[in-house]
Amino acid sequence: QKEVEQNSGPLSVPEGAIASLNCTYSDRGSQSFFWYRQYSGKSPELIMSIYSNGDKEDGRFTAQLNKASQYVSLLIRDSQPSDSATYLCAVTPFTGGFKTIFGAGTRLFVKA
Amino acid sequence: GAGVSQTPSNKVTEKGKYVELRCDPISGHTALYWYRQSLGQGPEFLIYFQGTGAADDSGLPNDRFFAVRPEGSVSTLKIQRTERGDSAVYLCASSLRGRPGLAGGETQYFGPGTRLLVL
Repeated sequence: QKEVEQNSGPLSVPEGAIASLNCTYSDRGSQSFFWYRQYSGKSPELIMSIYSNGDKEDGRFTAQLNKASQYVSLLIRDSQPSDSATYLCAVTPFTGGFKTIFGAGTRLFVKA
Repeated sequence: GAGVSQTPSNKVTEKGKYVELRCDPISGHTALYWYRQSLGQGPEFLIYFQGTGAADDSGLPNDRFFAVRPEGSVSTLKIQRTERGDSAVYLCASSLRGRPGLAGGETQYFGPGTRLLVL
């Protein structure tokens, strides 16, 4: 089992729709959870971080964390073509020191 | 202010050669991370520095890989006897404090990466 798993996609949504991206992780004691966006040929950029169960909203983005289910998700409302990118889920495991484990990413396409 | 910078942006070398990759973190950031990313994969953790010391080097794949950060700022990733399988984008990131759970303190800012090709 991979430490951080994501559906590779591609996920295709029409402009204006809600895009839902999901991630599961294996280390139950994980402390910190992140969503990064990576455009093709560019480096990752942080869009959301979440540390406790529940929802966290920032503009069009909402991160959801459920530690009991070891599940974290990202919702993008009113999706725009500029949101088309690979979204990386990242986790700081409890037992992993300070390392950050990334999933392989989900490719999102927003159709105009 | 200036972000994380990495040099060179591209490096082509021959199998068996030695390479050095440089990372300049954001000024004042105490934590520095090295990752490598292969096509279609997420970044793979290599090593983490807190100040001058390597606090976690568990991701280095073997003893051909070594990294230093002698003055707690610039870091160099060194790869000896390169192999074709080392070809990847090597990413550096820095964060203000690097302590898990400390909101904002561990936000990692990535550099543009060095694309390494071993022929």
